[in-house]
Amino acid sequence: TQLLEQSPQFLSIQEGENLTVYCNSSSVFSSLQWYRQEPGEGPVLLVTVVTGGEVKKLKRLTFQFGDARKDSSLHITAAQPGDTGLYLCAGALCNAGNNRKLIWGLGTSLGVNP
Amino acid sequence: DTAVSQTPKYLVTQMGNDKSIKCEQNLGHDTMYWYKQDSKKFLKIMFSYNNKELIINETVPNRFSPKSPDKAHLNLHINSLELGDSAVYFCASSQDIPGGRAPTDTQYFGPGTRLTVL
Repeated sequence: TQLLEQSPQFLSIQEGENLTVYCNSSSVFSSLQWYRQEPGEGPVLLVTVVTGGEVKKLKRLTFQFGDARKDSSLHITAAQPGDTGLYLCAGALCNAGNNRKLIWGLGTSLGVNP
Repeated sequence: DTAVSQTPKYLVTQMGNDKSIKCEQNLGHDTMYWYKQDSKKFLKIMFSYNNKELIINETVPNRFSPKSPDKAHLNLHINSLELGDSAVYFCASSQDIPGGRAPTDTQYFGPGTRLTVL
């Protein structure tokens, strides 16, 4: 089973701190997405990265796709309580039948305390 | 205007029963999915349909049977429910054409159905 490893699995920090979440695999992805899920809701897309080495910024969130397209990181600057949630990465793979599917990471549960 | 809706939101039932979860999307997407999220928050794809045709069928017990009456609806029927079926089930949709090498499109998720089997 192909898996994306995410680390850390749990993270509890104080408001204003910086943090980085990592997503690693031995597979090469055609693209990689980051989603955030709040309690009682479905995941919501934050960003899609496509090109190796690509960096995208979304306000205080910075996303990077590894040069080899096997890994990605999410850095949050000056975390706010509103950043609390489950962060999921998902990499797109083409299988033997040329059907593309998403492989999901196990998630990083982030809690930001005021 | 809910983009992806699921019913019911909560489902509590006894082992051995048969139940269905319904999903509808009003985004005009061609592809719909069913995911299972367990207590450890791992999101696992179960099925994917494109234009009413089954595209992905992961290793899921045949007690689970998806049905797509049209491309805006994807329902999930579960026979002979077991304790291990307890989880949150998410429906999602995207404009993806499943094959090909284009960047993966956004998946829009429903609010989830929390199934508890007693």
